[in-house]
Amino acid sequence: EDQVTQSPEALRLQEGESSSLNCSYTVSGLRGLFWYRQDPGKGPEFLFTLYSAGEEKEKERLKATLTKKESFLHITAPKPEDSATYLCAVQEGAQKLVFGQGTRLTINP
Amino acid sequence: DAGITQSPRHKVTETGTPVTLRCHQTENHRYMYWYRQDPGHGLRLIHYSYGVKDTDKGEVSDGYSVSRSKTEDFLLTLESATSSQTSVYFCAISESGWVGAKNIQYFGAGTRLSVL
Repeated sequence: EDQVTQSPEALRLQEGESSSLNCSYTVSGLRGLFWYRQDPGKGPEFLFTLYSAGEEKEKERLKATLTKKESFLHITAPKPEDSATYLCAVQEGAQKLVFGQGTRLTINP
Repeated sequence: DAGITQSPRHKVTETGTPVTLRCHQTENHRYMYWYRQDPGHGLRLIHYSYGVKDTDKGEVSDGYSVSRSKTEDFLLTLESATSSQTSVYFCAISESGWVGAKNIQYFGAGTRLSVL
């Protein structure tokens, strides 16, 4: 059975303090790894999708990378508006996404 | 929210009553999904649909049924609600279920359901 583990569960940073979130997975055949952002009281918002080891995607202060066993979401010089829960998901089979439990990120001004 | 409307947004009901949640999309996407989100469990798939009248079970389907009579609408029914079904329910849509850019799932704003 596919497993997705995110770490840390919660992370508190100062504005401008760069860091990384981790998503480790076990899957027999990776069909896609997805990163979402979720704000309180809202639905997940799509950020990135990665399909093969070595692939990288960037969007503003965020950069997602993928290896054969894990993915990292790097946050460079974060701002308070980057505070959210970040979700990682792995595509299992043709349609199903298996989600990790998320990392709750807080950026203090 | 990518042309996805969930209704109602909030609902309080009593144990044993039937409940139906609605997901409506304006994107004409083929695939639709229902998830529930609970503390300590993350998002878990309940049911999904790959076309009109075509549905399949997800990880936590017991106690739930779904129907899709039109491309744009996907209904989730709790035949007899229990307290364990208190949760936040999300609908998602995607153009395709296969590998490639079209398999990205986009989520609605959610329905918060409390079963007392």
